[in-house]
Amino acid sequence: KAGVTQTPRYLIKTRGQQVTLSCSPISGHRSVSWYQQTPGQGLQFLFEYFSETQRNKGNFPGRFSGRQFSNSRSEMNVSTLELGDSALYLCASSSWDPRVDTQYFGPGTRLTVL
Amino acid sequence: AQKITQTQPGMFVQEKEAVTLDCTYDTSDQSYGLFWYKQPSSGEMIFLIYQGSYDEQNATEGRYSLNFQKARKSANLVISASQLGDSAMYFCAMREGRGGGADGLTFGKGTHLIIQP
Repeated sequence: KAGVTQTPRYLIKTRGQQVTLSCSPISGHRSVSWYQQTPGQGLQFLFEYFSETQRNKGNFPGRFSGRQFSNSRSEMNVSTLELGDSALYLCASSSWDPRVDTQYFGPGTRLTVL
Repeated sequence: AQKITQTQPGMFVQEKEAVTLDCTYDTSDQSYGLFWYKQPSSGEMIFLIYQGSYDEQNATEGRYSLNFQKARKSANLVISASQLGDSAMYFCAMREGRGGGADGLTFGKGTHLIIQP
């Protein structure tokens, strides 16, 4: 089975721009979560989608948004980029099964904001 | 208060020795899951092992085992016979609730493990 894929792997943007990151989950997984990793704040939960609906949301401003498509693929968008948005953005998928609760991560998208 | 505490920012261990990475957690939920992930310098988070709060046996996965002490709220990772390829950041994480409706993962700050030949 193919793992979680994320595109692009690297991205350089300037302040004020917006960016869209994409994530394709493991086949059969219907839940997709997004995390931000920075040296200062560590790993922080952004949001989780299941069946095209946002189920959980972390403590991030409204500039961070996401969506999920009917094939479970997900995108996250960051508008009006700030220097502090430079981070590794990780996507994870899981089966949304109470018995099998593990999230499997993709390789991440490294975003640099100049 | 931090929900996940990893008290060892860095560790140096000789190859072939066993390693214990510490993790304590804080939750008032009865149902939760504990996870350990490995993150090499490439950045990808690799799942290692999972322990559910209702699991009575400690989880094991090959060279990895989880020393789960529920009353002490600790979930230490034990790596037996360490290898050079084990050098990486290791994160302990918790998911409160189970399956549908559970919260996102909360991560500790990580332990940087370096295996020396």
